[in-house]
Amino acid sequence: GAVVSQHPSRVICKSGTSVKIECRSLDFQATTMFWYRQFPKQSLMLMATSNEGSKATYEQGVEKDKFLINHASLTLSTLTVTSAHPEDSSFYICSARRGGAWEETQYFGPGTRLLVL
Amino acid sequence: SQQGEEDPQALSIQEGENATMNCSYKTSINNLQWYRQNSGRGLVHLILIRSNEREKHSGRLRVTLDTSKKSSSLLITASRAADTASYFCANSDGSGNTGKLIFGQGTTLQVKP
Repeated sequence: GAVVSQHPSRVICKSGTSVKIECRSLDFQATTMFWYRQFPKQSLMLMATSNEGSKATYEQGVEKDKFLINHASLTLSTLTVTSAHPEDSSFYICSARRGGAWEETQYFGPGTRLLVL
Repeated sequence: SQQGEEDPQALSIQEGENATMNCSYKTSINNLQWYRQNSGRGLVHLILIRSNEREKHSGRLRVTLDTSKKSSSLLITASRAADTASYFCANSDGSGNTGKLIFGQGTTLQVKP
């Protein structure tokens, strides 16, 4: 159990276009989902925390108008990279937490590789 | 930056040898977790150790935690070629139960057959 999927797994787009990435918890309800970004040979950097039915909480330095997060249901969160530019090219990973604050483990999706030309 | 440090950054060993990776963190913690990432893939949760624990075992994995030094270590015994991956420690936000994880820089492990 506790499987998280992401779609698409890879996307190539032209500069200036918007890209939507979906994160789904397949066999559990995720009260909280997290979005991370990982540049080559680097660690994961938390971008935002998403709670179902409320606005996402963004980390310092992450532009909320550029990275739109919607957590419309307990099994789906989406990240939209608006007006993408080459510097947005990265590996985007989501994770989901099943329970409340007592739930310590996050379950990670397989990641989405974004390449902006 | 809140990110912790991991050392070594890269480790290359022969199959059958033990691999030890160290992690230091900066904030207070509720727990510390270790994850594994194969190249270009998502993360797999390996083991979690709580702030009131000092050592934990899971199969060939042994994790220690020293909260006075704000450090942890991951030992993989009798390594296999399939253990080749990047390993990250991550500490939970100790200031409140936000669930946020702060990841270390990671150690890239290569196990040669």
